Order: sequence, then C-alpha cells, then structure tokens
Amino acid sequence: ETGVTQTPRHLVMGMTNKKSLKCEQHLGHNAMYWYKQSAKKPLELMFVYSLEERVENNSVPSRFSPECPNSSHLFLHLHTLQPEDSALYLCASSQGISGGLSYEQYFGPGTRLTVT
Amino acid sequence: RKEVEQDPGPFNVPEGATVAFNCTYSNSASQSFFWYRQDCRKEPKLLMSVYSSGNEDGRFTAQLNRASQYISLLIRDSKLSDSATYLCVVNKANDYKLSFGAGTTVTVRA
Repeated sequence: ETGVTQTPRHLVMGMTNKKSLKCEQHLGHNAMYWYKQSAKKPLELMFVYSLEERVENNSVPSRFSPECPNSSHLFLHLHTLQPEDSALYLCASSQGISGGLSYEQYFGPGTRLTVT
Repeated sequence: RKEVEQDPGPFNVPEGATVAFNCTYSNSASQSFFWYRQDCRKEPKLLMSVYSSGNEDGRFTAQLNRASQYISLLIRDSKLSDSATYLCVVNKANDYKLSFGAGTTVTVRA
C-alpha cells in the first residue's frame, strides 16, 4: 500500500501562490507519470519521465513544471494556477516504458488541489 | 470517437449477484489491457490485466474480444466491498501510454 506516496494529500492555494507536489516510489521502477483527474472525466496524462528523462509533455500549460531528480522522486511545481486547475493530481510509476506494450502502472493516493 | 468508452452505469446489484459490463476501444492495434478499480476519492488500483485467452482472478473474470474491440469484466457473488468505479485501460497502439475510460460505477446493496 505504500509503494507510491504523495504529499501533500490536500492543498488549497490562491492563484498567485507557488507550491510543489511531491511523489516518491519505492518499487524500483524506472518510469514515473503525472496525471490530472477532474470530476467525472478520464485521467489525463500530463508528463512522463523515464530514467529521469522527460519523454512526454502533453501540451500542459507552463504553469505546471515537472522535475525528476532521480528515478524514485518526481515533483510538480505549480505557480499562477487557475480555478479550472482544481483536480486530483495523481502520480504513478511503472517498471519502464517500451515501444508497443504497456506495463502496469501503480498510483499514489493523489493530491486533491483546490485553487481559489 | 473516444479511445476508450464505458457505460458509466451505475449498476446497482444485490449482494451475491453477478454483474458484467463491457468497454470498447477504438484502436485495433492496442496490445495491453487492464481493469483498475477506483474507490470514491481514492487512487486507481490495478484489479487485473486482461490476456488474450481471458483470465480469472477469484470472483473476477476478464475477457478480450479483439474482433469486436471490447473487453469485459464479470464479477460473481458480489460483495458490498466491490462497490467502486471500474476503469477500463488500454494502451495506445504501438505506444506505452495508457488511455483510461471514464469508468463504470457498480453499487452492491445489502
């Protein structure tokens, strides 16, 4: 149950604040992901890192800035967010990435973000 | 057309009943298929991978129909604890990235 951890679990921030979300995985995985989940919508992939290198940036606004200092840690830096950015932000990890197959992804508990 | 489509439900079933639902995917070249469950305000958790020949894990049975491009999940002898949203997850063709359905909600009542 503690394979992927995220902090904080809840965050309320104003539009002018700067905050960071943290994710840590203890599974020995090589790939890490940030997803956004809004109410009643499918998960949206935001960023992917493989072996600390960013391999995907899904047209995410620059007010979201990821950082992956090593294969176990992933951050999402937030600044000047908008109310529509309020959502559940989920971190996930997987064994790796490959061309045609997907490994199972394991999710952290998420950070529920409210932008006021 | 959405990459992954699911009936949102809810499927309301009594304890002990069998419930089944499908998910359709748009790209015939997809190779990896999963069912995840997500409890209210919690993270998705892997329930089971779906293999070509179909597979079973206890009370849960998953099937893949490549010709019609759908996967199914059947839950036998439903428990109250099975109440959750079930997410259908398919990889993008020739890609590692996953496409998530919006989920099917199942509510098991006593």
